[in-house]
Amino acid sequence: NAGVTQTPKFRVLKTGQSMTLLCAQDMNHEYMYWYRQDPGMGLRLIHYSVGEGTTAKGEVPDGYNVSRLKKQNFLLGLESAAPSQTSVYFCASSYGDRGFNSPLHFGNGTRLTVT
Amino acid sequence: QKEVEQDPGPLSVPEGAIVSLNCTYSNSAFQYFMWYRQYSRKGPELLMYTYSSGNKEDGRFTAQVDKSSKYISLFIRDSQPSDSATYLCAMLSQTGGSYIPTFGRGTSLIVHP
Repeated sequence: NAGVTQTPKFRVLKTGQSMTLLCAQDMNHEYMYWYRQDPGMGLRLIHYSVGEGTTAKGEVPDGYNVSRLKKQNFLLGLESAAPSQTSVYFCASSYGDRGFNSPLHFGNGTRLTVT
Repeated sequence: QKEVEQDPGPLSVPEGAIVSLNCTYSNSAFQYFMWYRQYSRKGPELLMYTYSSGNKEDGRFTAQVDKSSKYISLFIRDSQPSDSATYLCAMLSQTGGSYIPTFGRGTSLIVHP
């Protein structure tokens, strides 16, 4: 049981380049989330999805797009990378609608540097 | 002001000490409370969760919730160097059937031998 898997683990981009981060979960979770984590800022929600084919904005959505074409996958795209997007990106998943049984399960992150 | 406040630390303690980590919150709608532990270069992992006021114990860890004061705590007894990590509190409230968590900034804990 792999849980939540993120690819790639590391990436360096030049300003203006684009890339897609992939998240896959094998727990049949309905909800999936993308967070970024910066020193002193904690985890900030970028976008989330409450089910296949749905997406919604979180706290810091600007500069990012997402897609949830399959229940087990959640993609995060950067169309034109900026140095301010240098961060560690975490994907997470949960049942979502079961309250007490909705803790999030996280991947191990993607470390992105934009030069 | 953020909905969830957490002192980032770092908190440095000697091995064997009792550690107290705390979060305060402003949103009365929060119903479920969680603590995550995050080791360096890893994703957060769920440590404890609870939904009622009072204490919940799991081995050396005790989670405490005081809804009247909007205050939650995590106590670690007999702390070990392996407990050195960042501890994040998280809270859930229900909005239209969905539960979207709000995280604190995390407290960095260092337990030195």
